[in-house]
Amino acid sequence: AQSVTQLDSQVPVFEEAPVELRCNYSSSVSVYLFWYVQYPNQGLQLLLKYLSGSTLVKGINGFEAEFNKSQTSFHLRKPSVHISDTAEYFCAVSDRITGGFKTIFGAGTRLFVKA
Amino acid sequence: SAVISQKPSRDICQRGTSLTIQCQVDSQVTMMFWYRQQPGQSLTLIATANQGSEATYESGFVIDKFPISRPNLTFSTLTVSNMSPEDSSIYLCSVGMEMNTEAFFGQGTRLTVV
Repeated sequence: AQSVTQLDSQVPVFEEAPVELRCNYSSSVSVYLFWYVQYPNQGLQLLLKYLSGSTLVKGINGFEAEFNKSQTSFHLRKPSVHISDTAEYFCAVSDRITGGFKTIFGAGTRLFVKA
Repeated sequence: SAVISQKPSRDICQRGTSLTIQCQVDSQVTMMFWYRQQPGQSLTLIATANQGSEATYESGFVIDKFPISRPNLTFSTLTVSNMSPEDSSIYLCSVGMEMNTEAFFGQGTRLTVV
């Protein structure tokens, strides 16, 4: 079964600084990876996804992620964060099951942007 | 994409009682999923619900505690039975399309057991 590991439980960063949230996945022949964001007291929102093709994936709100097969990583980056980016970020992977896929989530990384 | 509505959005329940959460989707979907998000935690998959068959439960979750119904391709229910304070969580409904690996989520049901 597929799994993902988020290496940092919390990441504090100052406003306008760059940030990287780390995610490693279990090795597989084919893998579909996602980053979701959950703002305080809100539902989940898809930031970006990697299904195939270009290893650099651009998402919403200025976020991007790079799929690295040799390092089995899918780290999320943003060159300059805002206070409004404070949220919980979840890396996720699709696991093939009969009829489709189920989504398995990492433990989450809390991004805290300070003024 | 899919629009998912969950009811209730929140509830406070007495221990020992049961609560049924409803999930309605605006289009027919093959697969529906139920997740639990305990306070400050990630999402844990409870079970996969397919229409016309019994739900498939993940390790650590059993049908007696979390019975699920899936009467048609747009609706599912999750019941949290014989509740205890440890069941206080957000419960989320999710759907997936066979050809699209992305999962779509409802806003969740915030359950507090007292």
